[in-house]
Amino acid sequence: DTGVSQDPRHKITKRGQNVTFRCDPISEHNRLYWYRQTLGQGPEFLTYFQNEAQLEKSRLLSDRFSAERPKGSFSTLEIQRTEQGDSAMYLCASSLGPPLGSGTDTQYFGPGTRLTVL
Amino acid sequence: RKEVEQDPGPFNVPEGATVAFNCTYSNSASQSFFWYRQDCRKEPKLLMSVYSSGNEDGRFTAQLNRASQYISLLIRDSKLSDSATYLCVALNFNKFYFGSGTKLNVKP
Repeated sequence: DTGVSQDPRHKITKRGQNVTFRCDPISEHNRLYWYRQTLGQGPEFLTYFQNEAQLEKSRLLSDRFSAERPKGSFSTLEIQRTEQGDSAMYLCASSLGPPLGSGTDTQYFGPGTRLTVL
Repeated sequence: RKEVEQDPGPFNVPEGATVAFNCTYSNSASQSFFWYRQDCRKEPKLLMSVYSSGNEDGRFTAQLNRASQYISLLIRDSKLSDSATYLCVALNFNKFYFGSGTKLNVKP
């Protein structure tokens, strides 16, 4: 399967614990995005990487959240001291990046990691 | 105001019906637009890209009206398998903004 993969698919944790999720993008894709989605809402942008550089972080990404993409391939999203409000689906997407001057791009999603904080 | 707004629905239609969803976006600088389909507890899957005035793919037609800042999705001859949530997305300076989705239920 050459699509975007995420691990784990499900995570149940107790409040106050740290969790880490992994995303493996489509291999030739330069850009990698993290989103959070709660019931009845569309995905909300958290952060994105161009290769290994983290170019933007949402205000939603508090200091308990950190993301890395150390070699420009897979990425990790860590949540420290989890809270019940962190319960959500965490989606990763990747894209090739826009052809020069085009302003267009298309992203493809992984299956998500569903986090439940008890 | 949200970047992308959609009618949440649900739209309940019989098989074979034609149904249309609208979506508005607030940033006139948005460059490209997309419709994604999302099944319950699954990831969004790309349905169509809309780069210019519109795009057609089989039973699905997307239209873009930049002057009024809205995008529409038309589904003809609805199938039971079209039941899903349809997400409208605007791309603006490397960030993708998602609407909350419109739920479609196609009934026999």
